[in-house]
Amino acid sequence: AQKITQTQPGMFVQEKEAVTLDCTYDTSDPSYGLFWYKQPSSGEMIFLIYQGSYDQQNATEGRYSLNFQKARKSANLVISASQLGDSAMYFCAMSPLETRGSYIPTFGRGTSLIVHP
Amino acid sequence: EPEVTQTPSHQVTQMGQEVILRCVPISNHLYFYWYRQILGQKVEFLVSFYNNEISEKSEIFDDQFSVERPDGSNFTLKIRSTKLEDSAMYFCASRQNALHFGNGTRLTVT
Repeated sequence: AQKITQTQPGMFVQEKEAVTLDCTYDTSDPSYGLFWYKQPSSGEMIFLIYQGSYDQQNATEGRYSLNFQKARKSANLVISASQLGDSAMYFCAMSPLETRGSYIPTFGRGTSLIVHP
Repeated sequence: EPEVTQTPSHQVTQMGQEVILRCVPISNHLYFYWYRQILGQKVEFLVSFYNNEISEKSEIFDDQFSVERPDGSNFTLKIRSTKLEDSAMYFCASRQNALHFGNGTRLTVT
């Protein structure tokens, strides 16, 4: 069974500063993927970044980077130079990478990020 | 960039009525999913679909739910007899590696 834990229900950050959103996971699968999604108040789920468990380097996408520490089973999202439009719910998710088509991403409970001007 | 599209964006229905939520996944993706999110709560897995059949389903996905891929592009979720507690945002998703979501259908059962 997989488990995703996001321990921060809410975070505040000043505009232009960096912020780290925490995510820890538990799985017995040898190969898995980790994802972060942004959900603004309008409700859509926006894919931000992906990290495979066997990827040697931490994933980066623009202002988003994933601080992947496999031994600690953590996959924290770092947002650099925060913008007011970054205010949203952020969900961490993971799934096993299996070949038979069974691939069920499990989501954490989310962290609400508010960016102050 | 290709995207998952869902229709309608909002649906209001009376308890006991049937609803069909529609999705067009990204064309070269092979795995399709339905998730739901009750207001303010976590995103919950309903069902996954691969090779024209259900590959996995959750406890939530009981006999009132069904999925279909009626043609090469559409992927539908049918709720046969809606209940008040079915009110939620329903997300369709498809994937190669990362899961890509549609914008969701907000279902309100009155």
